[in-house]
Amino acid sequence: QKEVEQNSGPLSVPEGAIASLNCTYSDRGSQSFFWYRQYSGKSPELIMSIYSNGDKEDGRFTAQLNKASQYVSLLIRDSQPSDSATYLCAVNPLEAGTALIFGKGTTLSVSS
Amino acid sequence: GAVVSQHPSWVICKSGTSVKIECRSLDFQATTMFWYRQFPKQSLMLMATSNEGSKATYEQGVEKDKFLINHASLTLSTLTVTSAHPEDSSFYICSATVQPDSYEQYFGPGTRLTVT
Repeated sequence: QKEVEQNSGPLSVPEGAIASLNCTYSDRGSQSFFWYRQYSGKSPELIMSIYSNGDKEDGRFTAQLNKASQYVSLLIRDSQPSDSATYLCAVNPLEAGTALIFGKGTTLSVSS
Repeated sequence: GAVVSQHPSWVICKSGTSVKIECRSLDFQATTMFWYRQFPKQSLMLMATSNEGSKATYEQGVEKDKFLINHASLTLSTLTVTSAHPEDSSFYICSATVQPDSYEQYFGPGTRLTVT
């Protein structure tokens, strides 16, 4: 069974610090990887996608992918209280247009 | 771009009645839409994959006769919860891919269903 694993947290960091969120996946053939942010009571919002090994940066967010280790991470620099949310790692193990497999999410709390 | 809407945003219904939830892609055509359910403090659970013009593909354990999905056009998919019971109370969310060959999925704002 294809799985995506995340530490549920909560991960607590002070404002201005770097938050590091991690995710592992079981299907070695997976090709696309995503990070979604979900505020309490709201639907997920796509914040990063990554398809190849290495780092991808977008503003304060950096996604890192290591396919050999089946590992995806998300770094949030200069964390803000508004970053407090649940972060969902999602993996597409099949072809485009098919369903994502989601991890259970990591809750991030940024204290001011 | 890539905006997905849902209607209604919340609904309360009595046990035994049916509820229809609409999912629309506002600025793109979605050949594939996905329906998820999320219970409090739990992750998203995929219910079904909806393809325009064909029958939906349901995940194991999801009753297709209870959760009716219709994807009649490239911009609209509907989920009807038939004979709703309190245990169907949940947060229902749809998502769509912008293009058939796209991996990225964009979510609607969700519909909170409460069955009394």
